[in-house]
Amino acid sequence: EVQLVESGGGLVQPGRSLRLSCAASGFTFDDYAMHWVRQAPGKGLEWVSGISWNSGSIGYADSVKGRFTISRDNAKNSLYLQMNSLRAEDTALYYCAKGVDSSTNTWFDPWGQGTLVTVSS
Amino acid sequence: VIWMTQSPSLLSASTGDRVTISCRMSQGISSYLAWYQQKPGKAPELLIYAASTLQSGVPSRFSGSGSGTDFTLTISCLQSEDFATYYCQQYYSFPWTFGQGTKVEIK
Repeated sequence: EVQLVESGGGLVQPGRSLRLSCAASGFTFDDYAMHWVRQAPGKGLEWVSGISWNSGSIGYADSVKGRFTISRDNAKNSLYLQMNSLRAEDTALYYCAKGVDSSTNTWFDPWGQGTLVTVSS
Repeated sequence: VIWMTQSPSLLSASTGDRVTISCRMSQGISSYLAWYQQKPGKAPELLIYAASTLQSGVPSRFSGSGSGTDFTLTISCLQSEDFATYYCQQYYSFPWTFGQGTKVEIK
């Protein structure tokens, strides 16, 4: 069974940094692209960033470009999101989601349960 | 950026009803569209990909249609467990984008 477990969320002050992790199991991690998708409280879904199987293709939403960095460690079956210069509008539940092949231009299945990031002073 | 207009934002329906949700693109995306269902407090779950292919395990009362700029999700006979929020997502052109969501509530 595919499992994605996010961690690293919490309360952080504006301008500070946070690193999210996603531990993957139940599939061959380095065969698939991975993504981060977020959902602000009571709002819809927003794709944040995606990374191909070998980190050769990486993309970001304009809203986080230059502040967030996605990475992966295939040896550890883990996905990361380094978030710097956090803003109040980054407050959201952050989901880790698996692509369906090695490239980033696919749908997402499955999703983890999310980790909550709250940016507030 | 491909803009997506999903409608309606709120749909009131009764068990047994046939419901349709629309997703319109600002430009053509062939069939590069997925639909997700999200229940309160839960992560989204994939229903349909490639505009009309039903994900394994998803009941056949769900169906998707369309290509280019206009897409539809249909639930043929609404069940109690189908009351949820539904999102479309395009994966044709970076950045990947979602519709605003349609909440299906009990009438």
